[in-house]
Amino acid sequence: DSGVTQTPKHLITATGQRVTLRCSPRSGDLSVYWYQQSLDQGLQFLIQYYNGEERAKGNILERFSAQQFPDLHSELNLSSLELGDSALYFCASSGVGDNEQFFGPGTRLTVL
Amino acid sequence: ELKVEQNPLFLSMQEGKNYTIYCNYSTTSDRLYWYRQDPGKSLESLFVLLSNGAVKQEGRLMASLDTKARLSTLHITAAVHDLSATYFCAVLNYGGSQGNLIFGKGTKLSVKP
Repeated sequence: DSGVTQTPKHLITATGQRVTLRCSPRSGDLSVYWYQQSLDQGLQFLIQYYNGEERAKGNILERFSAQQFPDLHSELNLSSLELGDSALYFCASSGVGDNEQFFGPGTRLTVL
Repeated sequence: ELKVEQNPLFLSMQEGKNYTIYCNYSTTSDRLYWYRQDPGKSLESLFVLLSNGAVKQEGRLMASLDTKARLSTLHITAAVHDLSATYFCAVLNYGGSQGNLIFGKGTKLSVKP
């Protein structure tokens, strides 16, 4: 158990809908990262937050957005969902020092 | 743009044999990470390599980093079935406060009796 929690574990929804994925980092970690894992694209970095502020953006679609709240939990919002958005979404957190990132169990999103 | 290449992508080994997985990356970075992923599961951190020449070992796995060659290796000694999984290397892409990871495509290892 990495100490990073994610909810929900599974999510099934329809095209065009909007969903919110939630992540709680390890106690004391200020950085939260979101990654998407799919068969064709592999593991792709989406976005990073540090202590409530956006710090880096990767291959995140405009339909996707995220935020980190004062209690350091983070939410990833996915809207106007398409079939191709079906994937595993991981949240990771890290503290200071060696930048080691600890991954949560993931949310499996299925868009029908 | 930082790119990370792993090879091989698929590896079928017999128990008791040795093999090496290679991870090459395209631009300067001095931090490299190895993760293991079992099917349908999360990523488990195996090794953190922080400097040129770093070598770390845990059980039958040993990882090394050559920052000048931009190469890391994950060596498997006397493989056992429990090592069957997908192994990812990831390189720290400096940016923002701490940087994000750029992952290789992963090496799917299957150890057969």
